[in-house]
Amino acid sequence: DAGVTQSPTHLIKTRGQHVTLRCSPISGHKSVSWYQQVLGQGPQFIFQYYEKEERGRGNFPDRFSARQFPNYSSELNVNALLLGDSALYLCASSSEGQGLAYYGYTFGSGTRLTVV
Amino acid sequence: EDQVTQSPEALRLQEGESSSLNCSYTVSGLRGLFWYRQDPGKGPEFLFTLYSAGEEKEKERLKATLTKKESFLHITAPKPEDSATYLCAVQGNTPLVFGKGTRLSVIA
Repeated sequence: DAGVTQSPTHLIKTRGQHVTLRCSPISGHKSVSWYQQVLGQGPQFIFQYYEKEERGRGNFPDRFSARQFPNYSSELNVNALLLGDSALYLCASSSEGQGLAYYGYTFGSGTRLTVV
Repeated sequence: EDQVTQSPEALRLQEGESSSLNCSYTVSGLRGLFWYRQDPGKGPEFLFTLYSAGEEKEKERLKATLTKKESFLHITAPKPEDSATYLCAVQGNTPLVFGKGTRLSVIA
C-alpha cells in the first residue's frame, strides 16, 4: 500500500512568488492535515480538511490557503512568499475527521521549501 | 492553550545505555498523546498512542508511559539505529500540538 505521497520533494522559490504543494492521502483516508516544520522545531498545524471541508485552521496568515478534492487529495497554497516561509511542509492523513485517530496520523516525507 | 514541552533537547548515549525522554503537557480534554520518530529530512513515523493515565505501550526497545501531566519514552539498551529525533504530540480539541523534540544520538 502506498503511504502518504507529497510533491514536489524539494522546491526553491523567490520572495513574493506563489507556491502550490500537493498531497495524496493513504487510500481510504478522508482527512488530510498540513503542518509546517521549521528547522529545529516540532511541526506546527496549518489546516485540516475532512470530506472536502475545512475542519480547522492554525495561526497562519491569509497568505496560506488549502483545499481538498473529491478524491481526498489536497493542495496547500502559499502566496507572497517570505524568507520565513522556508520550512519542511508535512501532510498527514487519517481515517477519522475530528475524532480520535487511534493509529495516529500518517505523515508523508514532506516538501522542503526554500525561499531566497 | 495546549502546550507540549520535551526534555532534554538532545541526548547522547552509549550503545546499551538505557535512558528516558520526557514529555510534559497541558491540554484541554486529552484525546490522545502520540510519540513519533523523525529521521533527518523525513516525515514523522508513528510509534505510539496513549489515551489515559497509567497506560503503557511497548515496541521493541521502546516503552511509552502516561501520567496526567507527563509521558515518558523509555529506551532500553539502545542501538545506533535508534538515533533520531523523538517527537511528542497531544490531541485535545484541536489537531496535534507537537513539542520541539528530543534529538537522540546513540554511539557504538
